[in-house]
Amino acid sequence: KNQVEQSPQSLIILEGKNCTLQCNYTVSPFSNLRWYKQDTGRGPVSLTIMTFSENTKSNGRYTATLDADTKQSSLHITASQLSDSASYICVVKGGDYKLSFGAGTTVTVRA
Amino acid sequence: EAGVTQSPTHLIKTRGQQATLRCSPISGHTSVYWYQQALGLGLQFLLWYDEGEERNRGNFPPRFSGRQFPNYSSELNVNALELEDSALYLCASSHGRGNEQFFGPGTRLTVL
Repeated sequence: KNQVEQSPQSLIILEGKNCTLQCNYTVSPFSNLRWYKQDTGRGPVSLTIMTFSENTKSNGRYTATLDADTKQSSLHITASQLSDSASYICVVKGGDYKLSFGAGTTVTVRA
Repeated sequence: EAGVTQSPTHLIKTRGQQATLRCSPISGHTSVYWYQQALGLGLQFLLWYDEGEERNRGNFPPRFSGRQFPNYSSELNVNALELEDSALYLCASSHGRGNEQFFGPGTRLTVL
């Protein structure tokens, strides 16, 4: 069964600090991996997409990494802002176009 | 360009009633997906429509159904509502199968 596991489930950081979110998956075959940001009560918005051959991709203060050999990805948030408070969801697409969703990591940034 | 829109924003029903949720995809998108997100849980895939046909459904009972209209908008119907159906229902659209899905703001369904 294809699974996507995210850790930690939640975290609290002070404004200006960095944090890293983890995503481990067992989806095979692998097509791509996306990180989404979901503000409370809103729909998810794509931050980055990574394919098999990509190791790192940045979107502003967000940097995603992918190790396709160990089936691990991370999302690093640099110099966090209050607006970064949200749920971050890792989504892996398999070769059959099916999407597998992680349960998400809830990030709370405090002033 | 307008994004995915959903209506209503909030919906309150009682057990046993029926709920109808609506979704309008981004112009040009032919695929519509429905997801359920219960409080504190991840997104659970419900249904996928493409070109007016149901292409796939998740592990949900038959009382969850829907359809896609000729203009590619979609409707999700939930019959015989149960308390555990309370959740945020998200609609997403994509330009064809397998491409990036763009999500709407969701409909918050509360079953009392």
